[in-house]
Amino acid sequence: EVQLVESGGGLVQPGGSLRLSCAASGFTFSSYWMHWVRQAPGKGLVWVSQINGDGKRTSYADSVKGRLTISRDNAKNTLYLQMNSLRAEDTAVYYCARASSFTFDPWGQGTLVTVSS
Amino acid sequence: QSALTQPASVSGSPGQSITISCTGTSSDVGGYNYVSWYQQHPGKAPKLMIYDVSNRPSGVSNRFSGSKSGNTASLTISGLQAEDEADYYCSSYIGSNSYVFGTGTKVTVL
Repeated sequence: EVQLVESGGGLVQPGGSLRLSCAASGFTFSSYWMHWVRQAPGKGLVWVSQINGDGKRTSYADSVKGRLTISRDNAKNTLYLQMNSLRAEDTAVYYCARASSFTFDPWGQGTLVTVSS
Repeated sequence: QSALTQPASVSGSPGQSITISCTGTSSDVGGYNYVSWYQQHPGKAPKLMIYDVSNRPSGVSNRFSGSKSGNTASLTISGLQAEDEADYYCSSYIGSNSYVFGTGTKVTVL
């Protein structure tokens, strides 16, 4: 069974940093592109970033470029999102999702990041 | 990139059919046949319902169908059931390995 489990969320002060992880199992992790998608409380889904199978190609939403960095460790079957210079507007549930033919499938359960003083 | 436009809410009685629209531009919905739809129940992760405009993943009920005309994609739910009450989001590829989601639609079963 394909499974994605996010971790690393929590409360952080404005300007602070956090690293999210997404542990993958049940499929050949290195063969798939992976996404991060976020959802602010009570709001809609927003695509954040994507990375290819070997980690050499990445793309980002304009709103996070220069502050959030996606990476992966295929030996550990783990996807990461390094979040720096955090702002209140980064407060959201962050989901990782497997990329499959221009779709997001499946999704993890999400991890909540709260940016507040 | 602006979010794709969806109606905030759509409702229907059990057994009826409803359609949710997803309007974009020629740079997203109209430019690629890579529109997908996701169902999200409260407090849960989204679930893929339709991909590549009109294809259903295995395990998804055939009551769900998708289509596209110009810059607008649509999701139709036929034979509406109580379990279909959820939020629905469309998504489109926009080139350069980037994506955009719709604003989301709350479906209510009356």
